[in-house]
Amino acid sequence: QQQVKQSPQSLIVQKGGISIINCAYENTAFDYFPWYQQFPGKGPALLIAIRPDVSEKKEGRFTISFNKSAKQFSLHIMDSQPGDSATYFCAAGGGGGNNRKLIWGLGTSLGVNP
Amino acid sequence: DAGITQSPRHKVTETGTPVTLRCHQTENHRYMYWYRQDPGHGLRLIHYSYGVKDTDKGEVSDGYSVSRSKTEDFLLTLESATSSQTSVYFCAIREGGGYGYTFGSGTRLTVV
Repeated sequence: QQQVKQSPQSLIVQKGGISIINCAYENTAFDYFPWYQQFPGKGPALLIAIRPDVSEKKEGRFTISFNKSAKQFSLHIMDSQPGDSATYFCAAGGGGGNNRKLIWGLGTSLGVNP
Repeated sequence: DAGITQSPRHKVTETGTPVTLRCHQTENHRYMYWYRQDPGHGLRLIHYSYGVKDTDKGEVSDGYSVSRSKTEDFLLTLESATSSQTSVYFCAIREGGGYGYTFGSGTRLTVV
């Protein structure tokens, strides 16, 4: 079973701090690496995604760092806010085919203290 | 949320009864997915569809069946509900030719 390993399982940071969530994958055929954000009672929503041809992608306070040789990617949330408190999932997709299935990490519960 | 609706939002059912969950989209997207979400297990794919009457199994398909007779509707049926199927079920659609998934708000199913 292809796997995406996500850490930590839970994380608490202070308002204004940096939140960092890490993921590692095994299949070198993966070519799409998204992060999803999920609030209680809601479905996951796409936050940001990266392709392996770049090492970093930034959207506002959210940055993905990608290390192809190490087969790792991470989400950095700068200036973390209480409204960022949510569960974050990394995923990986690729390897051909039309079904575009994603392989998911198990999630990280982020709490930001005011 | 991009025209995707799940029904019901909550359901309590008894062990051994059949249950059908509905996912409805207004976007005419080809690909639809059913996931279940459980603590410690993340999101697990149950079944997916790549067109009308075209479906395939995911990683946790045992005890579940699906049907897609119209582009807009993807039904998930628990043939004989068990307590292990107590979960939150999410439907997702894939927009365009990429990997961007849009999820519904989920159905919380409790099997007693």
